[in-house]
Amino acid sequence: DTGVSQDPRHKITKRGQNVTFRCDPISEHNRLYWYRQTLGQGPEFLTYFQNEAQLEKSRLLSDRFSAERPKGSFSTLEIQRTEQGDSAMYLCASSQSGGNEQFFGPGTRLTVL
Amino acid sequence: TQLLEQSPQFLSIQEGENLTVYCNSSSVFSSLQWYRQEPGEGPVLLVTVVTGGEVKKLKRLTFQFGDARKDSSLHITAAQPGDTGLYLCASGGGNNRKLIWGLGTSLAVNP
Repeated sequence: DTGVSQDPRHKITKRGQNVTFRCDPISEHNRLYWYRQTLGQGPEFLTYFQNEAQLEKSRLLSDRFSAERPKGSFSTLEIQRTEQGDSAMYLCASSQSGGNEQFFGPGTRLTVL
Repeated sequence: TQLLEQSPQFLSIQEGENLTVYCNSSSVFSSLQWYRQEPGEGPVLLVTVVTGGEVKKLKRLTFQFGDARKDSSLHITAAQPGDTGLYLCASGGGNNRKLIWGLGTSLAVNP
């Protein structure tokens, strides 16, 4: 297994456009997390899945954000009508159920012009 | 809400020097992880500490968990330019699911 992968690594978009990011977790991990990180800050929790169920969403996740994990494997994070304030690094992590350790992908850097 | 405070926020040292960075909380940690993050990449897990007083070593890195499980330190011996990066502590995961993060210590090791 090659670890957590994310696609794309970089995305530049114009304000108002929709974007979708993909995360492929470590295959035996049933938990998947999305975080957002801005420069000089630690990661901020957005949402988390156990298998296909979305169990927790942060208040940071506005109505323009939606995440899915339809088959309990890969996940997508969609941002509709992007705003300049959405510019950030979007990180995905996975873990085994009950595990203390989360393993991160390389992130998707979003720039909204 | 548990908050993690890291210090110092920035550190710039010469190759070969030793350094220590800290992670503190007013609450007891269930467990604590240290990560290292390079620019443009995701955090990479270095170590997890669980037991109060625990000491773990990873080559030139020594991680210590306070007896009361409210603080942790990372000591680097003979720092090298390859140690440059953002060092983050985080607590939670497991049954708490999400991790709570410190803001990190940005380390620059100059050759």
